[in-house]
Amino acid sequence: KNQVEQSPQSLIILEGKNCTLQCNYTVSPFSNLRWYKQDTGRGPVSLTIMTFSENTKSNGRYTATLDADTKQSSLHITASQLSDSASYICVVWGGGSNYKLTFGKGTLLTVNP
Amino acid sequence: GAGVSQSPSNKVTEKGKDVELRCDPISGHTALYWYRQSLGQGLEFLIYFQGNSAPDKSGLPSDRFSAERTGGSVSTLTIQRTQQEDSAVYLCASSLEAGRDYGYTFGSGTRLTVV
Repeated sequence: KNQVEQSPQSLIILEGKNCTLQCNYTVSPFSNLRWYKQDTGRGPVSLTIMTFSENTKSNGRYTATLDADTKQSSLHITASQLSDSASYICVVWGGGSNYKLTFGKGTLLTVNP
Repeated sequence: GAGVSQSPSNKVTEKGKDVELRCDPISGHTALYWYRQSLGQGLEFLIYFQGNSAPDKSGLPSDRFSAERTGGSVSTLTIQRTQQEDSAVYLCASSLEAGRDYGYTFGSGTRLTVV
């Protein structure tokens, strides 16, 4: 069964600190992995997308890594800001004609002043 | 429009009533999806529309749920005889074409509360 597991479930950090969120998946075949940010009361917004051949990708203070061999990904947030408080969701697509995505349950990040 | 628009943003309804949730996708996006997000849970696939093809309804949790997409654009998700377990955020997303990685654009969702 295709699954995406994220850890931790929730995380509280102080403004200015760094943090790393984890994502393990069992989706097969694999085409790409996205990290989404979902602010409270909003829909998810894509932060990064990584394909099988990519190991790391950055988007400002967000850096995602992917190890397709171990089926693990991480999202590293540098110098956190209060606006980073949100749920971060890992999503995997199997590719081809399969239009369904497999979603993780998300990590709820709270950045405190 | 510039993004995916959903209405209403919030809906409180009494158990047993019917509700309609609306999604207006990005112009030109042929694929449209409905997801349900319950507290502490991942997004749950409900239904998918692609152009004029028959929709994939495999994710609808019961026959109380139905959806239609008129003219290949606006979609309506209807829940009949609502139950308390239907309380959740209902998210709509659209993409240029299903089966390819154009990425989804999500709406802000409709928060449904059944009392």
